[in-house]
Amino acid sequence: AQTVTQSQPEMSVQEAETVTLSCTYDTSESDYYLFWYKQPPSRQMILVIRQEAYKQQNATENRFSVNFQKAAKSFSLKISDSQLGDAAMYFCAYRRSNTGNQFYFGTGTSLTVIP
Amino acid sequence: DTAVSQTPKYLVTQMGNDKSIKCEQNLGHDTMYWYKQDSKKFLKIMFSYNNKELIINETVPNRFSPKSPDKAHLNLHINSLELGDSAVYFCASSQMTVREETQYFGPGTRLLVL
Repeated sequence: AQTVTQSQPEMSVQEAETVTLSCTYDTSESDYYLFWYKQPPSRQMILVIRQEAYKQQNATENRFSVNFQKAAKSFSLKISDSQLGDAAMYFCAYRRSNTGNQFYFGTGTSLTVIP
Repeated sequence: DTAVSQTPKYLVTQMGNDKSIKCEQNLGHDTMYWYKQDSKKFLKIMFSYNNKELIINETVPNRFSPKSPDKAHLNLHINSLELGDSAVYFCASSQMTVREETQYFGPGTRLLVL
């Protein structure tokens, strides 16, 4: 079974600074998708960024970018110019490329942004 | 426009009661899911329906029964509620036929069993 590991239960960052959240995963597949979801206090799960394993280029979405290291099975999320609204739980997720496969979520990292 | 909606947002009930949580999506997706998030924030899939057919059914007590009247709706009925059922339940939807399948989540329903 696929597993997704987030080794940092909690992280903090000063406002306007940069923070990196770690995620590793275990799979024998070569083609798959990786996701970062954000869950603010409102509890809504919001898609932050998505990476296709067959693409070598790291995905970026405004202040959010990933460092995808396929050989190391690592998928970290970098948040630049952190804002107070970035404070949330962040979940890393994995899905095999074949559609219809379930998502596997990590245990989450709670990010605090310090004003 | 709410893409995935759930009702109710909060549900407080006594042990032994039967309750339902409703989910609707207006994204035109063909697949819907139910997740349970426990007090430690661990998110675990419970069920998945594709075009009203059950495709994922994780090890969940028989007291939980999903019902999908159509592609846009997936309701969760829970019989004989127990204290351990207290959690946040999330509904999600996706379009399975799209390679870049991404799940979109509802706002969650916080269930508290007393």
